Amino acid sequence: GAVVSQHPSRVICKSGTSVKIECRSLDFQATTMFWYRQFPKQSLMLMATSNEGSKATYEQGVEKDKFLINHASLTLSTLTVTSAHPEDSSFYICSATQLGAGEKLFFGSGTQLSVL
Amino acid sequence: GQQVMQIPQYQHVQEGEDFTTYCNSSTTLSNIQWYKQRPGGHPVFLIQLVKSGEVKKQKRLTFQFGEAKKNSSLHITATQTTDVGTYFCAGGGSYQLTFGKGTKLSVIP
Repeated sequence: GAVVSQHPSRVICKSGTSVKIECRSLDFQATTMFWYRQFPKQSLMLMATSNEGSKATYEQGVEKDKFLINHASLTLSTLTVTSAHPEDSSFYICSATQLGAGEKLFFGSGTQLSVL
Repeated sequence: GQQVMQIPQYQHVQEGEDFTTYCNSSTTLSNIQWYKQRPGGHPVFLIQLVKSGEVKKQKRLTFQFGEAKKNSSLHITATQTTDVGTYFCAGGGSYQLTFGKGTKLSVIP
């Protein structure tokens, strides 16, 4: 149980385009979903926390107009990288906490974004 | 697809006892990473292992990467209350990082 599905696993796009990444909890309701970014050999960096039906809370230094997060239901959160540039190339991963399971995190499989 | 199994899911130990968590991958990994999540916090990177059979130590923590690069372990010697939290392994493959489900460690003083 407690599977988090993240798509796509890899995306290559041209500079200036927007990319949407989906994070779905397949068999549970996720009260909260988190979006992270990771540069090679570095720790996960929390970008934002999203709660269903409310605006996401962004960490300091993360541009909310560039990284749009939508958490439309208890099973789906999306991260849209708008007007992507090469410096946005990174590994993005989501995690979710399960309703009633406390703080336990379940991770998606991540998305490798490459912006040309 | 790549799967990473981590056991045990929960572990309660008396302070001073040792603790070990294990990860097994369904495929050969290019590297394995370990993270610690403190209660109320987010996973923080501890270490990355890359070489077959690699062993690394950080004070009371010992990390091992199996010879076949499909399994790994984290061992804590003489646990302290500051060790409480959830320990995640994450297996690195091609354009992928697959997290285990974590082992939640409770330390009884």
